[in-house]
Amino acid sequence: RKEVEQDPGPFNVPEGATVAFNCTYSNSASQSFFWYRQDCRKEPKLLMSVYSSGNEDGRFTAQLNRASQYISLLIRDSKLSDSATYLCVVNMGGGGNKLTFGTGTQLKVEL
Amino acid sequence: GAVVSQHPSWVICKSGTSVKIECRSLDFQATTMFWYRQFPKQSLMLMATSNEGSKATYEQGVEKDKFLINHASLTLSTLTVTSAHPEDSSFYICSASYGGETQYFGPGTRLLVL
Repeated sequence: RKEVEQDPGPFNVPEGATVAFNCTYSNSASQSFFWYRQDCRKEPKLLMSVYSSGNEDGRFTAQLNRASQYISLLIRDSKLSDSATYLCVVNMGGGGNKLTFGTGTQLKVEL
Repeated sequence: GAVVSQHPSWVICKSGTSVKIECRSLDFQATTMFWYRQFPKQSLMLMATSNEGSKATYEQGVEKDKFLINHASLTLSTLTVTSAHPEDSSFYICSASYGGETQYFGPGTRLLVL
């Protein structure tokens, strides 16, 4: 089983749609969780951290379910500029603040 | 703030040559730098973690004699791919941290070994 697992997609959605991505992680001792965005041939950029209480940043909402070892990202009112690969990232603890990346979910927002 | 640069942004080399990639934190002192590799349609894989002034810690399966890492100052880490072969062709990305778990990523270096 992969340490961080995501559906690779692609998710093709029309502009304005709401889309949700899910991610599961294998290590129950994982400490912190993030969503990153990666554009084609670019470095990943932090989109948001994910907290157990859930957090929202504009059109983006992230949720964490520790019991199910599951993380989600919801994007409302999709824009063309949201097209990218969304990476689920986990700090699994064990020292050194190492991050484990999922393979990413590709989103394509279309007119 | 928290800008990380990498140089070169891309490199093409012949098989058997060595390639050095630089990672610099431009506006902060990076106590820790991380080196990742990403193959097409795959996730970023951590290769090694380096702390200034000490030897790098390599992840399992990463050959330390092939991927030489030097972190001589708080703003510079280098990765040298020695005797590069076509299978080393990849996207190499560094990140830097000044403590805590936030990592700031460089723009990456594309390596193509012919």
